[in-house]
Amino acid sequence: GAGVSQSPRYKVAKRGQDVALRCDPISGHVSLFWYQQALGQGPEFLTYFQNEAQLDKSGLPSDRFFAERPEGSVSTLKIQRTQQEDSAVYLCASSHSVMTGRETQYFGPGTRLLVL
Amino acid sequence: DQQVKQNSPSLSVQEGRISILNCDYTNSMFDYFLWYKKYPAEGPTFLISISSIKDKNEDGRFTVFLNKSAKHLSLHIVPSQPGDSAVYFCAASVIGGGADGLTFGKGTHLIIQP
Repeated sequence: GAGVSQSPRYKVAKRGQDVALRCDPISGHVSLFWYQQALGQGPEFLTYFQNEAQLDKSGLPSDRFFAERPEGSVSTLKIQRTQQEDSAVYLCASSHSVMTGRETQYFGPGTRLLVL
Repeated sequence: DQQVKQNSPSLSVQEGRISILNCDYTNSMFDYFLWYKKYPAEGPTFLISISSIKDKNEDGRFTVFLNKSAKHLSLHIVPSQPGDSAVYFCAASVIGGGADGLTFGKGTHLIIQP
């Protein structure tokens, strides 16, 4: 079946521009995560949704970052007034059930964002 | 401060031999550990996991060992194959800890030499 998909795969933005990154999780998956992966680093947690509810946004680096999942399926990560330090790969992951720590997260291919 | 550490950025192993990737963690609340494999331009793919009630989990060529007292885990791949060349991430979570997501190490680039 289809895995997690993300679009666009690559995005070049000028500093100060707003960007929107889309994630389509595996159909029926309840949990959805966003991660940020800087060059040479492991993915770092940004935010978590259980269905449409954003239960944890402690990893969002600033108030320029905003995520939503209004109907409990597709999610959008929005970055306002992009800065060069926002350049990274943004990964989306989904999991079948409510996170208790044991469920496997399935990752999308990521969106590579470059801010000039 | 890195809670999950993979101290070897890269590892080169001859095809057919054993690959051993290491991971250390500092947070004693972690009780579930996972290994992910990542090819260039793809997302991480789940490989194998282990909970803290076990010290070993095996799946085909892949075995993960957990030493809780040393806060250390390792992934063994035997025999190593060319398709195993990838970046391997160690990740940890707290069972029942809510929605904090996974904490990842920086990854180890495994290169299998023919």
